[in-house]
Amino acid sequence: AQSVTQPDIHITVSEGASLELRCNYSYGATPYLFWYVQSPGQGLQLLLKYFSGDTLVQGIKGFEAEFKRSQSSFNLRKPSVHWSDAAEYFCAYFDDYKLSFGAGTTVTVRA
Amino acid sequence: DAGITQSPRYKITETGRQVTLMCHQTWSHSYMFWYRQDLGHGLRLIYYSAAADITDKGEVSDGYVVSRSKTENFPLTLESATRSQTSVYFCASSEMGGTQYFGPGTRLLVL
Repeated sequence: AQSVTQPDIHITVSEGASLELRCNYSYGATPYLFWYVQSPGQGLQLLLKYFSGDTLVQGIKGFEAEFKRSQSSFNLRKPSVHWSDAAEYFCAYFDDYKLSFGAGTTVTVRA
Repeated sequence: DAGITQSPRYKITETGRQVTLMCHQTWSHSYMFWYRQDLGHGLRLIYYSAAADITDKGEVSDGYVVSRSKTENFPLTLESATRSQTSVYFCASSEMGGTQYFGPGTRLLVL
């Protein structure tokens, strides 16, 4: 069955340090992949998406993600995190009409 | 230009009661979705609708009913609430194949 997996439940990172969140997908064809962020008590906001073309995708808030077919991965990165990046991050793939989400990774930012 | 709104934002009810969660979008998107968010599960699709009067089940539809008489509204009803339906509920909308935009969520507690 098609799916996305986020191996890390929780990551703690220092403010100003780099961040990488992992997402692995299981899908036969080229998937349509997304990263969403959910700040505490808020809804989900789209960070970026990959449909085709360039494998490095730029998003909002300084985030980027790289699609690697050979590794079945779509990892999210940010070079320097800010305290406001503390949130839960969800990887998702688009399957015909709907999104299927990973379980999420919670990011804590320490001063 | 409110986008997508949900009401109520918070709801406490008792087991066996009927509860209706409201969702309204102002973009005239054809697709609308209901998800529930539970710890360790990410977001799971309850129901979706491709257009007015067209609805279909998602992966966790038992105990829920939806209707869509108007394009902009997509209410979700818990016919007889159970404690296992305590969750955060998100509504989303999109054009066909497009980015899904999420509402702020409804936190439901079933006692």
